[in-house]
Amino acid sequence: QSALTQPASVSGSPGQSITISCTGGDNDVGRHDLVSWYQEDPGKAPRLIIYEVIKRPSGISNRFSGSKSGNTASLTISGLQPEDEAFYYCCSYAGGSTWVFGGGTKMTVL
Amino acid sequence: QVQLQQSGPGLVKPSQTLSLTCVISGDTVSNDRAAWNWVRKSPSRGLEWLGRTYSRSKWYNDYAVSVKSRIVINPDTSKNQFSLQLNSVTLEDAAVYFCARGDAYTWAFDSWGQGTLVTVSS
Repeated sequence: QSALTQPASVSGSPGQSITISCTGGDNDVGRHDLVSWYQEDPGKAPRLIIYEVIKRPSGISNRFSGSKSGNTASLTISGLQPEDEAFYYCCSYAGGSTWVFGGGTKMTVL
Repeated sequence: QVQLQQSGPGLVKPSQTLSLTCVISGDTVSNDRAAWNWVRKSPSRGLEWLGRTYSRSKWYNDYAVSVKSRIVINPDTSKNQFSLQLNSVTLEDAAVYFCARGDAYTWAFDSWGQGTLVTVSS
């Protein structure tokens, strides 16, 4: 199972919006609306911030939003804040009771 | 609130077996709305899902193709925990290993352990 493709890094200034892409294939992102996104601070466990492409768990800021078009899912962070600086990983159900993650994107707030 | 506490050695010799345990609090390993997963993170591969165990009247396991021949994930209902065994480890198995709760309805991983750095070295 090939990993999902994410940009290695993105950056933005406080208050701006950034978008992180996550490209998969016909059997994972393209077939299932089961894409999730995780935020990871160094040395900490990942935190779920988006599930089922667009849904936010309780307690997650509405500045985080998800979308999908074809084989590419996207995470948008609006109104960037310094505390948003972290690694972000996408994940998709890949069929056959398996999951596939992206390689991760380092998001820097300038 | 679900909490997952990992334990296990951080150093494994090549060709030997990596063994980790994840103790669950705030949920039960037998919960038929959950699945109990192992995920690892390495610089070269990012996050990689390894496998899961879950109960739906009986116990099931699913494993990633990349490790299917070497991995065993077992539940322990008496201790409310689950474990990972990865056999015949190589240098490529060096990573931070996480246990994680998967929700049967959202299909996402909503609680994670703290992570265990595993080094493979003789």
